[in-house]
Amino acid sequence: DAKTTQPTSMDCAEGRAANLPCNHSTISGNEYVYWYRQIHSQGPQYIIHGLKNNETNEMASLIITEDRKSSTLILPHATLRDTAVYYCIVSLGGSNYKLTFGKGTLLTVNP
Amino acid sequence: EPEVTQTPSHQVTQMGQEVILRCVPISNHLYFYWYRQILGQKVEFLVSFYNNEISEKSEIFDDQFSVERPDGSNFTLKIRSTKLEDSAMYFCASSDRVLTGELFFGEGSRLTVL
Repeated sequence: DAKTTQPTSMDCAEGRAANLPCNHSTISGNEYVYWYRQIHSQGPQYIIHGLKNNETNEMASLIITEDRKSSTLILPHATLRDTAVYYCIVSLGGSNYKLTFGKGTLLTVNP
Repeated sequence: EPEVTQTPSHQVTQMGQEVILRCVPISNHLYFYWYRQILGQKVEFLVSFYNNEISEKSEIFDDQFSVERPDGSNFTLKIRSTKLEDSAMYFCASSDRVLTGELFFGEGSRLTVL
């Protein structure tokens, strides 16, 4: 799986959009970009994934650059409960796959 | 909303003892996984399981580890002879073949080896 690079930490004001960047310059054509988060020591939680096109769901939006070498996860209106470690993971996908977690970005949402 | 449940939430054991961690995956899921996270470190893949056999395992998953789906609902991780370095949070996860990309994780079982 391709390696990803994320900032160690970020801050965001409550109610504002949180934009979390991820670099994955060695991504291959059939690899997906996944985002998970981990609140405190709970189990990781799936947020969103995409291949080429931008994606949106009830939690977040995923913007993937045209060359697919980087992406941005957008939480449109961050709340205090969004404080978590956010992981950007590149993987072949499919049902029988493993996720390689990095250190992620600690997002702190401030009141 | 369906969820993956894990028991026990916390287990303390003596070094050398056998431990079984239990998981009930989401009922219509076909693929099952164990991950672990040593305190302060990354979440690490241990093993994936499908159709009653291991699909893939990491180098962490050595002979002291085993997994089993003893009935239609439970998925277990056994550590035969625990070591101090096995102390970690163990996460079970499951996925549905149709829903590509989404693993559903349980809340974890914290194992403390003394």
